[in-house]
Amino acid sequence: QKEVEQNSGPLSVPEGAIASLNCTYSDRGSQSFFWYRQYSGKSPELIMSIYSNGDKEDGRFTAQLNKASQYVSLLIRDSQPSDSATYLCAAYNYGQNFVFGPGTRLSVLP
Amino acid sequence: SQTIHQWPATLVQPVGSPLSLECTVEGTSNPNLYWYRQAAGRGLQLLFYSVGIGQISSEVPQNLSASRPQDRQFILSSKKLLLSDSGFYLCAWSGTTSNQPQHFGDGTRLSIL
Repeated sequence: QKEVEQNSGPLSVPEGAIASLNCTYSDRGSQSFFWYRQYSGKSPELIMSIYSNGDKEDGRFTAQLNKASQYVSLLIRDSQPSDSATYLCAAYNYGQNFVFGPGTRLSVLP
Repeated sequence: SQTIHQWPATLVQPVGSPLSLECTVEGTSNPNLYWYRQAAGRGLQLLFYSVGIGQISSEVPQNLSASRPQDRQFILSSKKLLLSDSGFYLCAWSGTTSNQPQHFGDGTRLSIL
């Protein structure tokens, strides 16, 4: 069974620090990877997509992909209390369904 | 731009009653459509997905069903709700080419009494 694994957390970081969220996936054929942010009681919101090995930066967010290690990460620089949410990692193998991880709860302490 | 609408936002239903949740997408054609359920504090459970009108695939056997009567309309139904059907129901869409993410509606919070 194809799986995406994440530490459930909570991951607590002080305001202004770097938050590092990690994700591993089992399907070596996965081609696309996505990070979603989900505030409590709300629906998931796409924040980053990454398709190639290496880093992809968007504002305070950096996604990192290592297909050889089947590992995806999300770094949040200068973390703010408004970043406190659950972060979902998803992997997609074209022609099959998205596989979502259980999410990591991030708490940014003021 | 594409938008996804899902309603109602909140629903309280008695055990044994029927259910109909609706989702529509605007601004795109022939999207892939998905229904997920999320229990409190848990991950996303894929219930149904559809790649076209009348084409429904079920991921989890249960008392729920889905239909896609129009290209951009996806409906989740039940004839008789169970207590275990409580949860946060999310509709999502994606494009049909590779590398396209899913985009979620605002969700329906369903409570069964």
